[in-house]
Amino acid sequence: RKEVEQDPGPFNVPEGATVAFNCTYSNSASQSFFWYRQDCRKEPKLLMSVYSSGNEDGRFTAQLNRASQYISLLIRDSKLSDSATYLCVVLYNQGGKLIFGQGTELSVKP
Amino acid sequence: DAGVIQSPRHEVTEMGQEVTLRCKPISGHDYLFWYRQTMMRGLELLIYFNNNVPIDDSGMPEDRFSAKMPNASFSTLKIQPSEPRDSAVYFCASSLVPTGDKDGELFFGEGSRLTVL
Repeated sequence: RKEVEQDPGPFNVPEGATVAFNCTYSNSASQSFFWYRQDCRKEPKLLMSVYSSGNEDGRFTAQLNRASQYISLLIRDSKLSDSATYLCVVLYNQGGKLIFGQGTELSVKP
Repeated sequence: DAGVIQSPRHEVTEMGQEVTLRCKPISGHDYLFWYRQTMMRGLELLIYFNNNVPIDDSGMPEDRFSAKMPNASFSTLKIQPSEPRDSAVYFCASSLVPTGDKDGELFFGEGSRLTVL
């Protein structure tokens, strides 16, 4: 079983749609959680951290369920510019290794 | 401010040749990471350093891979001898604080795309 698993993509949605990505992690000792975004043939960049209480940044909402070892990312009113691969990232030990999921590709169409 | 700088951006080499990838982290960042990305395996952590000291190299595939960080502003990842299965994009990343911090962010370089024929 992979340490971090994500929904397989690609997700093809029209502009304005709401889309949700799911991620599960295997190590219950995981401490911190993030979503990164990677554009085609570019480097990953931090999109947002995921807090236990859930957090929102504009059109993006991240949720964490420690009991189920589950993380989600919701994108509302999707834009063409949201087309990218979204990477779920989990930290196993403080100051240590970040484990990346395989990523979910999103394609937003006009 | 300059970001993480990697070189070369692209490298094509033949099997058996030595490959050296280079990285200059963001000034002041104490943590440096080397990742490898392939379609099949995604982003894999190879090794990371804290204050120039290797902390975890459990992701290094085998003895053909080695990494060094002689000073705070430079790191190398070397593959000797290279094999076709080493073909991938190799990313270097750095961070200011331990990546567990809520505000911790990993800054990636643009990557070195390696093709081994």
